[in-house]
Amino acid sequence: EAGVTQSPTHLIKTRGQQATLRCSPISGHTSVYWYQQALGLGLQFLLWYDEGEERNRGNFPPRFSGRQFPNYSSELNVNALELEDSALYLCASSLFRGQGAGGYTFGSGTRLTVV
Amino acid sequence: AQSVTQLDSHVSVSEGTPVLLRCNYSSSYSPSLFWYVQHPNKGLQLLLKYTSAATLVKGINGFEAEFKKSETSFHLTKPSAHMSDAAEYFCVVSDYGGSQGNLIFGKGTKLSVKP
Repeated sequence: EAGVTQSPTHLIKTRGQQATLRCSPISGHTSVYWYQQALGLGLQFLLWYDEGEERNRGNFPPRFSGRQFPNYSSELNVNALELEDSALYLCASSLFRGQGAGGYTFGSGTRLTVV
Repeated sequence: AQSVTQLDSHVSVSEGTPVLLRCNYSSSYSPSLFWYVQHPNKGLQLLLKYTSAATLVKGINGFEAEFKKSETSFHLTKPSAHMSDAAEYFCVVSDYGGSQGNLIFGKGTKLSVKP
């Protein structure tokens, strides 16, 4: 069974640009979660999508947004990039809403570097 | 508000000796607690979880953790370290069993294993 796949693996952008990160969950999983792992700040919850809707959001500005497509894959968009957005962005999926963290499968992440 | 503190940023042990990674938590409710491991360039893998059942939780690869409410601790242990255990370990707390997506991660403990 294929795991959670994220693309691209690495992304380099200039300050002020927009970045788009993609995540494909495990087949059959309907929930997708996004986390940011920034140096010195640790892992922080960004967004949760389930059945195409945003269900919960962490303490991040509105320029962090995303969506979930009918096939349950997801996209994270970061607008007006700032240097401090440089981080590893991790995506996780779970079989259904409310399954809990014991059911999360994480991808290997997208390393975003803002220069 | 929930929080989690990993008391050591770096732990170094010799192969074959015990491992102890310390974690203290703060939660307003009955918490769900987890340990995840992250190997270099890999996603997060769930080691074990506590969700108000037995206080001694056994996980994969010989790891276990004991939930101590009086001490608000959830330390991770392993009787005998293996070279392959070298990785970063994260203690995680969440209310609602993580079903709202907003897991709270500790800053991580990097485990080094010397031959």
